[in-house]
Amino acid sequence: AQTVTQSQPEMSVQEAETVTLSCTYDTSESDYYLFWYKQPPSRQMILVIRQEAYKQQNATENRFSVNFQKAAKSFSLKISDSQLGDAAMYFCAYRAFFNSGNTPLVFGKGTRLSVIA
Amino acid sequence: DAGVIQSPRHEVTEMGQEVTLRCKPISGHDYLFWYRQTMMRGLELLIYFNNNVPIDDSGMPEDRFSAKMPNASFSTLKIQPSEPRDSAVYFCASTRSGGDNEQFFGPGTRLTVL
Repeated sequence: AQTVTQSQPEMSVQEAETVTLSCTYDTSESDYYLFWYKQPPSRQMILVIRQEAYKQQNATENRFSVNFQKAAKSFSLKISDSQLGDAAMYFCAYRAFFNSGNTPLVFGKGTRLSVIA
Repeated sequence: DAGVIQSPRHEVTEMGQEVTLRCKPISGHDYLFWYRQTMMRGLELLIYFNNNVPIDDSGMPEDRFSAKMPNASFSTLKIQPSEPRDSAVYFCASTRSGGDNEQFFGPGTRLTVL
């Protein structure tokens, strides 16, 4: 079974600084998807960024970017120019590839990010 | 589109009572997932459906839990009888077929069993 590990239960960052959240995963598959979700106090799950395993180029969404190391099974999230609104729980998630359908997400335990003004 | 709708948003009940959580997926989505979030276990899959048919219910903790999807626009997750350890946030998510389609989450139901 696939597993996702987030080794940092809590992180903090100064406003306007950069922070990197770590994630490793375990799978025997070659095709899959990886995601970072944000969960603010409202508890709504918000997709931040996603990466297809077959793509070598790291995904970027505005201030959010990933460092995807397929061989190392590592998928870290970098948040640049941190803002107060970035404070939340961040979950790394894995999803198996299924061309004609869809599959469940497997989540890490999360990293709570605090942003200090 | 209204997004995934869950009801109730909060539920407080006493041990032994029956609890029913409801989910309305986004129109046109043919996959529906139920996830549970607890402090101890994090976010975990309970069950998911494709075209109203349960595909994998291996995450359902025990026989006290049951889920149904009678049609494409409605699903229920029932706990009978409820126990304090069932206290959690229950999320419903939906998506379309196709490997790269995003799962859209509902707001969740916070269940407290006293």
